[in-house]
Amino acid sequence: ILNVEQSPQSLHVQEGDSTNFTCSFPSSNFYALHWYRWETAKSPEALFVMTLNGDEKKKGRISATLNTKEGYSYLYIKGSQPEDSATYLCAFDEGSGNTGKLIFGQGTTLQVKP
Amino acid sequence: DAGVIQSPRHEVTEMGQEVTLRCKPISGHNSLFWYRQTMMRGLELLIYFNNNVPIDDSGMPEDRFSAKMPNASFSTLKIQPSEPRDSAVYFCASSPRTSPDEQYFGPGTRLTVT
Repeated sequence: ILNVEQSPQSLHVQEGDSTNFTCSFPSSNFYALHWYRWETAKSPEALFVMTLNGDEKKKGRISATLNTKEGYSYLYIKGSQPEDSATYLCAFDEGSGNTGKLIFGQGTTLQVKP
Repeated sequence: DAGVIQSPRHEVTEMGQEVTLRCKPISGHNSLFWYRQTMMRGLELLIYFNNNVPIDDSGMPEDRFSAKMPNASFSTLKIQPSEPRDSAVYFCASSPRTSPDEQYFGPGTRLTVT
């Protein structure tokens, strides 16, 4: 059974704070690691797809790093804003059968207070 | 492109009734996924199809659940008979499966079984 763990489960920060959270995944049979952003009452939207050890991706104030050897990825948000409030999901892709099956973590729910 | 389309958006039904959820993937995508979101278990994969063929249905909770994909542009998830514990949000997602690629989620169907 593949395990994808995210921590913390939830996070409350003040507007302007920078924050980060962790996704850990199996270090064997790695194919890709995905990050999704999921706002309340909406559907998950892809943020990043990361494939290479040492990869670093950035989109505005959000960035992510990847360590495939030790099986973890960090997501960073610089200068959090209330609109960043959402659940952030990571998903592990082992490239099984080349069908795109993802194993999702339970998510980190971020609440940014104005 | 209209994105992944799901219908209905909300369904309220009585225990014992048959429920059919529908999904139209993004044109050209050849992988389709059905997920269920609950407070207890988060986002869990029920079944996925590749080129209209079911690849893995190990996430389907019971025989009461069945899914079909008769062609590349349509899939159904059926629950018969429905039970109150089936109440959840059901998401459909599609993926072009150009490696690696992100999944595009539909808006979800909120099912309530009374």
